[in-house]
Amino acid sequence: DIVMTQSPFSLPVTPGEPASISCKSSQSLLHSSGYNYLDWYLQKPGQSPQLLIYLGSIRASGVPDRFSGSGSGTNFTLKISRVEAEDVGLYYCMQALQTPYVTFGPGTRVDL
Amino acid sequence: QVQVQESGPGLVKPSETLSLTCSVSGGPIRSTSYYWGWIRQPPGKGLEWIGSIYYSGSTYYHPSFQSRVTISLDTSRNQCSLKLTSVTAADTAVYYCASFDSAAFDVWGQGTVVTVSS
Repeated sequence: DIVMTQSPFSLPVTPGEPASISCKSSQSLLHSSGYNYLDWYLQKPGQSPQLLIYLGSIRASGVPDRFSGSGSGTNFTLKISRVEAEDVGLYYCMQALQTPYVTFGPGTRVDL
Repeated sequence: QVQVQESGPGLVKPSETLSLTCSVSGGPIRSTSYYWGWIRQPPGKGLEWIGSIYYSGSTYYHPSFQSRVTISLDTSRNQCSLKLTSVTAADTAVYYCASFDSAAFDVWGQGTVVTVSS
């Protein structure tokens, strides 16, 4: 099984300031296609998770460009260039390399 | 745009079977672009993948649930179902159905709360 870890556990943020979350996998998520099978999800308070980033760096439809994903292999980062109040919630990374046996990270709580 | 909605009893007694349905609209449930996954979130905890079913009907389960879980498709009703037997309080969670489109779960239901209690 691929184990996912995230840091920090909790991230206080200030509107207008940048923020970043780290995700690490126990095995490389780099596929032979050249893509990293790493996704990012945001679960806003009281809502279901929503897809932000897939294949490591591709923003999902409708996701603001202040969100960006980077990294390769076992180390990944989600960056928010300028935090907005609506960005609070739980952020999860998920490996999809071994799909359908996917695994989620433990989550990072982002609060104002 | 595909939409999904989970439904089922909110309260299940210990040792009984949890049965949930995921109703799909906006597209056929049996599609080469999708597989369907069930994910749960215990109170105050993170997301946990339970299992998935491909358009072909092939199923894959997390080893932790392998002996207790069944996921199936009902193409006539455009539904996916989850059955989890011998439930305990540890199975109390919000259960989500989501569609996986080649690289990620791109569409999620709103989730359904299941409490296991006598």
